Amino acid sequence: GQQVMQIPQYQHVQEGEDFTTYCNSSTTLSNIQWYKQRPGGHPVFLIQLVKSGEVKKQKRLTFQFGEAKKNSSLHITATQTTDVGTYFCAGMGNQFYFGTGTSLTVIP
Amino acid sequence: DGGITQSPKYLFRKEGQNVTLSCEQNLNHDAMYWYRQDPGQGLRLIYYSQIVNDFQKGDIAEGYSVSREKKESFPLTVTSAQKNPTAFYLCASSIAWGTGELFFGEGSRLTVL
Repeated sequence: GQQVMQIPQYQHVQEGEDFTTYCNSSTTLSNIQWYKQRPGGHPVFLIQLVKSGEVKKQKRLTFQFGEAKKNSSLHITATQTTDVGTYFCAGMGNQFYFGTGTSLTVIP
Repeated sequence: DGGITQSPKYLFRKEGQNVTLSCEQNLNHDAMYWYRQDPGQGLRLIYYSQIVNDFQKGDIAEGYSVSREKKESFPLTVTSAQKNPTAFYLCASSIAWGTGELFFGEGSRLTVL
């Protein structure tokens, strides 16, 4: 079946360092979404990418969708303690397939 | 305020008992979903409903059942046939199937004693 793999599973960074998480799908996606889940919370929508090669920015966050629409990345510049949480990608095939998530810890 | 309400937040159950988790939305969304989240894992789809009076199995539907008699409500029953029911259950909705962002409830944590 369709799978969305996400790496790394865990990432610990010093505050101020950059962070990147990657998603890869076994099949072409019609779109990809990114969600953030704070510890003890529920996933909250961040963004949706639809077009091949699309890049979107939200302040310190940069999202990319690959040319083949099979991979995506989220990059955070100069992490802050408020960035702590688990970041999930969700690719739309015949349903939303969630990646396993990357848990980000930011060390002050 | 519009949103999704899940209840109860915490639930304890003895083996062999069925339990029903409530999910209500007032966003006027057509599509609703149930996901299961286990520690260190992503969200796995249990059931989804594209429209009222219709629902479909997701990847891990065995041992679960749902109904969608009203647009606003999509309850999930965890039956005694579910082998490992202890998990965090998340309900979500979207304006239409496969369209737009998913809005999640705060989740229900089920523990089987």
